[in-house]
Parts: sequence; C-alpha cells; structure tokens
Amino acid sequence: DTEVTQTPKHLVMGMTNKKSLKCEQHMGHRAMYWYKQKAKKPPELMFVYSYEKLSINESVPSRFSPECPNSSLLNLHLHALQPEDSALYLCASSQDVGGTYNEQFFGPGTRLTVL
Amino acid sequence: AQKVTQAQTEISVVEKEDVTLDCVYETRDTTYYLFWYKQPPSGELVFLIRRNSFDEQNEISGRYSWNFQKSTSSFNFTITASQVVDSAVYFCALSPPISYSGAGSYQLTFGKGTKLSVIP
Repeated sequence: DTEVTQTPKHLVMGMTNKKSLKCEQHMGHRAMYWYKQKAKKPPELMFVYSYEKLSINESVPSRFSPECPNSSLLNLHLHALQPEDSALYLCASSQDVGGTYNEQFFGPGTRLTVL
Repeated sequence: AQKVTQAQTEISVVEKEDVTLDCVYETRDTTYYLFWYKQPPSGELVFLIRRNSFDEQNEISGRYSWNFQKSTSSFNFTITASQVVDSAVYFCALSPPISYSGAGSYQLTFGKGTKLSVIP
C-alpha cells in the first residue's frame, strides 16, 4: 500500500481562524514532509520530520506549526494566516531521509484558501 | 548548488503521438539521484521513476521510457503513443549524494515543470 492520505481536501478559512491539516501514511516510513505549492510552481519544502523529530524548518513563518504525534501521522496547525498563504499543501513520506530509500510518495494535497 | 531546468513550459500533442520531455540538471556532486513525478489536475504528485547517477542504463516501463545521459547532464522522459490520461504537469527533480544520510539528503530540487496536454 503506497498511499499517503490527507484531510481535508479543501479548506477555506479566515485570517483569524485556527485550523489543522492532517496527513497519514501506513507504509512504515520514517520520514515525513510538508510542502507548499503555489499555482504553476513546483512544490517548496516547508518541514521535514525524521523518526518523529523535526529535522528541518525551511524558514517557515510561525503561523505554520507542524506536529508529528506518531510515526504515521503528521499535522500542520494553521493560525492567523494571510491570503498569500493560499496554496496546495502537500504531504509526503519516504522510507528514510536519505541514501537508498529516499523516494518520496505524496498525498493528494489540501487546497487552502485564506480569505 | 543544484539546479534543474525543464525548458519546455507547455507541450500539446495529439493522442497517439510520441512526446519527449526534456530535463537538464546541474550539480557539483559526483553521486546523486534523479526523479520524475507526474501531477495530474487532481493535484497529487505521482512518483514515476528514480535513477541513481551510477546507472546510465535507459529504462522502459510500458509506454514510458527514460534516457539518462551523464555526459550532457540530461534525464529525458518519453511517452510513446500518448493518451489523454497522460495530460498532466511533469516535474523532474534532483537529490543530493547517495552517501548522505544526514538532514540534507532529503532535499529535492524540482524543475519548474512541463505541462503536457494530450488532445483527443
């Protein structure tokens, strides 16, 4: 089963709202990632979790807060977002962060609109 | 620094035509991985292939084939007898050396993507 699931599929929120995006994988992967993708652009890496610990935060504003409750779950908590944060948010996982098992498998994404 | 160039922004072909998507990369590393991903309108990035820099053999998977040429730093992707379902944005990507096991090894450098439209 090479599936990464994400919920919700679509999310519309106001600038004062607090919401969360959820990602789940049951492939036994130890690395999970959050990407942000604007229209007609490639994905941009936001965060990397390796063995449930935050490895990398690519200078992402604090209004985005990741959480990895266990090895299968990855959340992205959103608070006080700006309209320019509207984008497709993609979750991915890989067996490990590097070496032989580094191919990343992506979920379907959450389309976020900030009003 | 790593860089991936996909010079073709958009390509349109008529169904059953063959089409090649170009990918040229730059890296100072002697070992690395190359990838192709497909992103249909639904949004999900679908992993198609990974190639390590040691292996210059071409690969064929059904209607898909990949031509890796280290001498020209290219990793081109050909779809034979294209179908409407092939319509998508295709991304070529590059990752750091195989020997890395630290935090930097996860980094995928994506090209800007090529939008392929297959017309019935």
